[in-house]
Amino acid sequence: GAGVSQSPRYKVAKRGQDVALRCDPISGHVSLFWYQQALGQGPEFLTYFQNEAQLDKSGLPSDRFFAERPEGSVSTLKIQRTQQEDSAVYLCASSLERGYVYEQYFGPGTRLTVT
Amino acid sequence: QKEVEQDPGPLSVPEGAIVSLNCTYSNSAFQYFMWYRQYSRKGPELLMYTYSSGNKEDGRFTAQVDKSSKYISLFIRDSQPSDSATYLCASTYNTDKLIFGTGTRLQVFP
Repeated sequence: GAGVSQSPRYKVAKRGQDVALRCDPISGHVSLFWYQQALGQGPEFLTYFQNEAQLDKSGLPSDRFFAERPEGSVSTLKIQRTQQEDSAVYLCASSLERGYVYEQYFGPGTRLTVT
Repeated sequence: QKEVEQDPGPLSVPEGAIVSLNCTYSNSAFQYFMWYRQYSRKGPELLMYTYSSGNKEDGRFTAQVDKSSKYISLFIRDSQPSDSATYLCASTYNTDKLIFGTGTRLQVFP
């Protein structure tokens, strides 16, 4: 079946621009996660949704980062007034339900470059 | 200190070698331990997970957890050039986030 998809795959933004990154989880997966992966590093947790409820946003680095999942399926990660330090790969993952955190399936990521 | 530490490598081995990849962790509350494989410009792919201590085998891959020493290992037997990738270990103690190591880059040459 279809895996997690993300769009766009690549995004170049000028410093100060707003960007929106989209994630389509695996159909039927209730839990959705966003991670940020800097070059040469492992993914770092940003935020987590259970259906449409954002249960943990402790990893969002600043109030410029905002995520939503209004209907409990597709999610959007928005970054306002992008800065160079926001350049990274943004990964989305989904799992069947809460309690299956160890079986997260990742999308290909969106590579964001802020110039 | 990061909660999960991993040697970034690179590790270069000949085809057919046994590869040993290792991580250490600091949080004794961690219960689940995962290994992901990540090819260049792709998302991480779940290889296997282990609950608590012990071994788990899947084909050429064996995952091992020693909670007494807080040590996580992945062994790859009969390594192939197609195994060349970055291997990420991850742990978790709750129901939402994974804590990843930095990843070890593996190259298997023919």
